[in-house]
Amino acid sequence: QSALTQPASVSGSPGQSITISCIGTSTDVGSYNSVSWYQHHPGKVPKLVIYGVTNRPSGVSNRFSGSKSGYTASLTISGLQTDDEADYFCASYASSNVFVFGSGTTVTVL
Amino acid sequence: EVQLVVSGGGLVQPGGSLRLSCAASGFTFSSHWMSWVRQAPGKGLEWVANIGQDGTVKNYVDSVKGRFTISRDNAKNSLYLEINNLRAEDTALYYCGRQLISPLGPNFDYWGQGTLVTVSS
Repeated sequence: QSALTQPASVSGSPGQSITISCIGTSTDVGSYNSVSWYQHHPGKVPKLVIYGVTNRPSGVSNRFSGSKSGYTASLTISGLQTDDEADYFCASYASSNVFVFGSGTTVTVL
Repeated sequence: EVQLVVSGGGLVQPGGSLRLSCAASGFTFSSHWMSWVRQAPGKGLEWVANIGQDGTVKNYVDSVKGRFTISRDNAKNSLYLEINNLRAEDTALYYCGRQLISPLGPNFDYWGQGTLVTVSS
């Protein structure tokens, strides 16, 4: 049950697109289409922005999109805005009925 | 309006115990799996445990098995986490989270505000 691997930080300018990777293994990301992504502003509760690899909850901007290839899931934020500056965590279902989160990525809007 | 209100945190000595509570309102509590997630200071999120709709199925992360017990009372719309034999590494902000009915998975659409557990002598 090791944490999924994410880059520590990603940055971009307003209006640009950025992609955050989430690398797992054959026992989690690679085997299940059950990857979610969370936006977490310090001092607030996490917000679900993607579930089931590609699905956006109601109310979440279509600037957020998810994908998966093999053991790697990705979150893309297009048209980067200052309010997108936050920590982002992926999470996956893993074998033996447990969940595992990623190590987290800090997004900085330059 | 969906609300999850978490309580029960505090300062505890190593080896001590606590009971965290999460009071739910604004939705049919008994229809949802529920989870506890924690975040240690300066660290990332860690899923701790979840429980099925009727309370019979429970899952835990390895590091808390045998020390933490998740439970729920659907009549009281409440989720609980009994934490025993606390260690310094259990120091964290503990959140409760509501899982989407479908698809099952780490899909927490609502979160409680968190309660801080500090383990220190």
